[in-house]
Amino acid sequence: GQSLEQPSEVTAVEGAIVQINCTYQTSGFYGLSWYQQHDGGAPTFLSYNGLDGLEETGRFSSFLSRSDSYGYLLLQELQMKDSASYFCAVGGNAGKSTFGDGTTLTVKP
Amino acid sequence: NAGVMQNPRHLVRRRGQEARLRCSPMKGHSHVYWYRQLPEEGLKFMVYLQKENIIDESGMPKERFSAEFPKEGPSILRIQQVVRGDSAAYFCASSRVGTNNEQFFGPGTRLTVL
Repeated sequence: GQSLEQPSEVTAVEGAIVQINCTYQTSGFYGLSWYQQHDGGAPTFLSYNGLDGLEETGRFSSFLSRSDSYGYLLLQELQMKDSASYFCAVGGNAGKSTFGDGTTLTVKP
Repeated sequence: NAGVMQNPRHLVRRRGQEARLRCSPMKGHSHVYWYRQLPEEGLKFMVYLQKENIIDESGMPKERFSAEFPKEGPSILRIQQVVRGDSAAYFCASSRVGTNNEQFFGPGTRLTVL
């Protein structure tokens, strides 16, 4: 089976940098993805790491260490609109993905 | 290029009735995934389908729930004899291939069972 752990809540101020960690246990690993979900909305894809290292997309970066079964999402220059839930998801066999329970990010002025 | 479409957006059913949730994947996508989300919780995988095939239904309850993705038309998630515990948001996602990379999500169907 697969399980993921991520913090339930994170609070930061506008302009700051925040890191959301994700650790996983999996019987088969095909990459770590991150999704953003605003309250009541559809999850939207942010990034994917198939190999170790850092992937950068604008203000968002994601990191993966397969040997440590660990990854993180880094959000820079936080804006109020970044307040949302962030989910890490592990890809498993045959396309199935397992999602973490999500981290609620609150950005304060 | 239209995104993933789901309908209805909101569905109210009384206990014992049937609920049918529809999902039209993005154009060119032949892989569909269904997830359930309870308030303040994460997305729980239910089923992964390709056209006319169920690939993985390990997250589907054994009774009352079924899913299909016919050759023509949308994917359907069917819940028979609904109970209050079925109340949740049901999201559909699609991808071009069986990928663990990017899945595109629909807006979800909010099912309320009275």
